[in-house]
Amino acid sequence: NAGVTQTPKFRVLKTGQSMTLLCAQDMNHEYMYWYRQDPGMGLRLIHYSVGEGTTAKGEVPDGYNVSRLKKQNFLLGLESAAPSQTSVYFCASTLTGLVGTEAFFGQGTRLTVV
Amino acid sequence: AQTVTQSQPEMSVQEAETVTLSCTYDTSESNYYLFWYKQPPSRQMILVIRQEAYKQQNATENRFSVNFQKAAKSFSLKISDSQLGDTAMYFCAFMKPTGNTGKLIFGQGTTLQVKP
Repeated sequence: NAGVTQTPKFRVLKTGQSMTLLCAQDMNHEYMYWYRQDPGMGLRLIHYSVGEGTTAKGEVPDGYNVSRLKKQNFLLGLESAAPSQTSVYFCASTLTGLVGTEAFFGQGTRLTVV
Repeated sequence: AQTVTQSQPEMSVQEAETVTLSCTYDTSESNYYLFWYKQPPSRQMILVIRQEAYKQQNATENRFSVNFQKAAKSFSLKISDSQLGDTAMYFCAFMKPTGNTGKLIFGQGTTLQVKP
């Protein structure tokens, strides 16, 4: 009964380095999302996917790329990390995109870029 | 564009007492959903309660209830009989039906501390 699992939980990167955050869900959900959480700003949507093979930009997509090659996985990539990308990243999934659908979240990844 | 505002960055309450967290939002949509999510120190986001805009009756879940004022675009969360385990950050969130994308728009969050 894992739900949504994010890997890794913590990471420190140097400016300019790249990394990939992995999100995996075992609930057969169609929709998946990446949010970032910053103090005083709540959670903001980076990218999302409405199904396998699809991706779309959210509110703050610059500096990030995503891929959804398999239905259960949603990857978030940082090609050249910047200090402004220091944040806590959350992956979420929903069964459908219908209004009112409950989002299930992973436990977050705390990323620090130095 | 839709916005969600939580004007109380921090609140505290004594155990067993009642506390109300405020949330206002702005939208031109007529049908939508509003949510309250809880984020304890573990960081795990947990759905507390949700409200459909078309329903006039306020949603309740055990000790948690909302006061939904559609005309005023207000959606407050009342926690009764506060418990130490209610200590967490609480986020108000809005979901619109347009496009059926399931995207959430979050407020800034309110940190609630329940004191023994």
